[in-house]
Amino acid sequence: KAGVTQTPRYLIKTRGQQVTLSCSPISGHRSVSWYQQTPGQGLQFLFEYFSETQRNKGNFPGRFSGRQFSNSRSEMNVSTLELGDSALYLCASSFLGYQETQYFGPGTRLLVL
Amino acid sequence: QKEVEQDPGPLSVPEGAIVSLNCTYSNSAFQYFMWYRQYSRKGPELLMYTYSSGNKEDGRFTAQVDKSSKYISLFIRDSQPSDSATYLCAIGGVTSGSRLTFGEGTQLTVNP
Repeated sequence: KAGVTQTPRYLIKTRGQQVTLSCSPISGHRSVSWYQQTPGQGLQFLFEYFSETQRNKGNFPGRFSGRQFSNSRSEMNVSTLELGDSALYLCASSFLGYQETQYFGPGTRLLVL
Repeated sequence: QKEVEQDPGPLSVPEGAIVSLNCTYSNSAFQYFMWYRQYSRKGPELLMYTYSSGNKEDGRFTAQVDKSSKYISLFIRDSQPSDSATYLCAIGGVTSGSRLTFGEGTQLTVNP
């Protein structure tokens, strides 16, 4: 069974631009969660989508948004990029998302210049 | 105060040593506990998952949970150079859905 895939793997943007990251969960998984990982803050929860609905949201500004499609693939968007948005963005999938093992993708490394 | 505290290390041990990694948490609502291993420039890989107090063993790895003390541990026996990575504890609870709260990670190096 294929694992969680994320595209692109690396991205360089400049301040003020926007970016869209994509995540394809493990086949059959309906829950997709997004996390931001930085050296200073560690792994922080952004949001979770389940059956095309945002079910849970972390403490990030509205510039961070996401969506999920009917095939469970998910995208996250960051608008008006700031230098501090430079991070590894990870998505994780699970079947139902509650008290279940979550499987992480390799991440998208975003650098904002 | 952070919800999950983890000693960031770095921790350096000789090959064959027993490694002890620890986290403490503050919210008693947390109900399930995971340990992930993350190699450089890779995504976290699940090592252990448990939801009850006590010990769970899987090969060279043992996860220990003490809910009364809000303390979790991961022990690695006969450590190998391939165990060199960052180890992250992750905790979830009833009210948080799938949301996991992570410790900041402990960087481990096992020297041959």
